[in-house]
Order: sequence, then structure tokens, then C-alpha cells
Amino acid sequence: DTGVSQDPRHKITKRGQNVTFRCDPISEHNRLYWYRQTLGQGPEFLTYFQNEAQLEKSRLLSDRFSAERPKGSFSTLEIQRTEQGDSAMYLCASSRPGGARANVLTFGAGSRLTVL
Amino acid sequence: QKEVEQNSGPLSVPEGAIASLNCTYSDRGSQSFFWYRQYSGKSPELIMSIYSNGDKEDGRFTAQLNKASQYVSLLIRDSQPSDSATYLCAVNAAGTALIFGKGTTLSVSS
Repeated sequence: DTGVSQDPRHKITKRGQNVTFRCDPISEHNRLYWYRQTLGQGPEFLTYFQNEAQLEKSRLLSDRFSAERPKGSFSTLEIQRTEQGDSAMYLCASSRPGGARANVLTFGAGSRLTVL
Repeated sequence: QKEVEQNSGPLSVPEGAIASLNCTYSDRGSQSFFWYRQYSGKSPELIMSIYSNGDKEDGRFTAQLNKASQYVSLLIRDSQPSDSATYLCAVNAAGTALIFGKGTTLSVSS
């Protein structure tokens, strides 16, 4: 169990550029979640997958955001045409299948995005 | 919209005292309740989960749930300076993603 891995840990980009983050969950976890967190706020839900299926997406999520989990293993989160308001920590989490454990999230270290 | 409310603090307690952290939630269908701890610059880590009304104890931590009042709390006994962190309350209903509160910052002074 190597934990949840996220890459890159820090990304600095100019407004208008596209960025992509990758998340590798714990191997036996079938659920994968993306959250965004800004300073002084709790994690804000973006989307989650069960295996390769995207089951829920926040209504607050702009069309510029897209997430994939093509083979039910790693996931990518892409932000197109970045804006300064996208600057945040992007957290990935995963959880085990089934029952109450499906709701126990293990977080990665996060990918910090700075949009200049 | 589902909401989870917490007092942002800071909550300051002396070492050895009991820290009491509170959380209310809006969705009556909520079934799972969690407390996560987040140190500055780190990711959230789970410290307690509770699923039924009443108290659940784990070491110095006690989670309390009252579904009728839509209220969940966390008590930390014998608070230590190492407990200084932000405590996040998180709630979800079956089949939905976990929704977090803004967190309460706890400061334990030695």
C-alpha cells in the first residue's frame, strides 16, 4: 500500500493555459474522488468515479474542468483555459469498495495550482 | 444544496483541557459522519467515523451524533499541543460524495 499519489505536486501556469493533474489511487480502492481546497476553506467536492464510471459531478464545476479514469485505475483532471480563480490545492482521494468503508477517504498530498 | 456548517474558530484551549468541536448538517438523508484532521500544509486524515446516534470513543477522541438535531460533535480529552490543527467535519448520504465543512482551527497552548 503506497498511498494515493498525485502529480505534479505544484504547477505554476499563466492564465489561459491548460493544465492536467494525475492521481494514482491505492491499488485495491475502486472509488476515486477529486476535491479542490482554497485557503481557509474545507475541501470542495468536484467529481468522483467508481471504477471507470463517473458517478457524480458537482453542479458548481465549470465546463472547463474535465476528469477521466479510462481503465478504472489512475485518473486525470484537466482544467482548460485556466483563470486566476482556479488557483487552489487539488486533492485526490480514494476509498475501498462496498459498505461503510466506501465512504472512508484516503487523501493524496495534493497538487497545488498557481495561475498567474 | 447540501451544507455542513462549522464554527471556523480559532478555538483555543490549554494543554490538558477538553476541546469541543461542533458541526451541523442540512441533509436529513445523511448516513455517514466523519471527522478529519488537517495540519497546516498537509492533506486531511481521518480520525473518527460515526454512523448511528450516540457516542463513539477512540482513545482521547469521542464523536457524538444526534440525527434528530442534525448535529455531530468531536470531543478531544487531555488536549495536547500536537492536536493543534484544523478539524473538518464531513457528511454524506448513501451513494453520494462526502461533503466537508470549512473546518474549525484548534490551538492547544502548552
